[in-house]
Amino acid sequence: ILNVEQSPQSLHVQEGDSTNFTCSFPSSNFYALHWYRWETAKSPEALFVMTLNGDEKKKGRISATLNTKEGYSYLYIKGSQPEDSATYLCASALDSGGGADGLTFGKGTHLIIQP
Amino acid sequence: GAGVSQSPRYKVAKRGQDVALRCDPISGHVSLFWYQQALGQGPEFLTYFQNEAQLDKSGLPSDRFFAERPEGSVSTLKIQRTQQEDSAVYLCASSSGLAGSNIQYFGAGTRLSVL
Repeated sequence: ILNVEQSPQSLHVQEGDSTNFTCSFPSSNFYALHWYRWETAKSPEALFVMTLNGDEKKKGRISATLNTKEGYSYLYIKGSQPEDSATYLCASALDSGGGADGLTFGKGTHLIIQP
Repeated sequence: GAGVSQSPRYKVAKRGQDVALRCDPISGHVSLFWYQQALGQGPEFLTYFQNEAQLDKSGLPSDRFFAERPEGSVSTLKIQRTQQEDSAVYLCASSSGLAGSNIQYFGAGTRLSVL
């Protein structure tokens, strides 16, 4: 995988249901995997940054897992609420040998929570 | 405010016009990034500054694009002789550290429409 790919592209979920979506990224030269939430008319907001294989992170009802060997991450939302409606972006940072690099983003998963 | 500030929020330009987009990062943040998000795509990396030094400009799409950060704080992205394909949201992000594992804090973006 050369690019960061996210699926599904969009998702409609009933309020109260749990959901999850996927991010696939290049496993070679991996450095870090970022998840962002982007609500309309607002700034993208960082959810998680993960670096270690097997990492699991949690923030309220949202959690994420990371598999660096096979190059994928899952984002889970438990008990979806209307305020969870947003575009969820994942981004990969590569190990370039020193210093920061720009992130490579997927196209995002557009999540709509239906009351 | 404590966040990343971008101005203007919206810019309409006639084809061939020059534009300048401003980014005020979080005070003290060393790293500053510019991204371009075309409709239906994820953000794509344009350029990266470490303090006042532009360390990576590999993502700039053409020599019409120019970025600067002369005092290591505020940054300006300039686009000369704008074309319709330059229409996009331009995002600025800053980070306190140098590594790809540092959270990037985003502004709300400048939406550029070239007519």
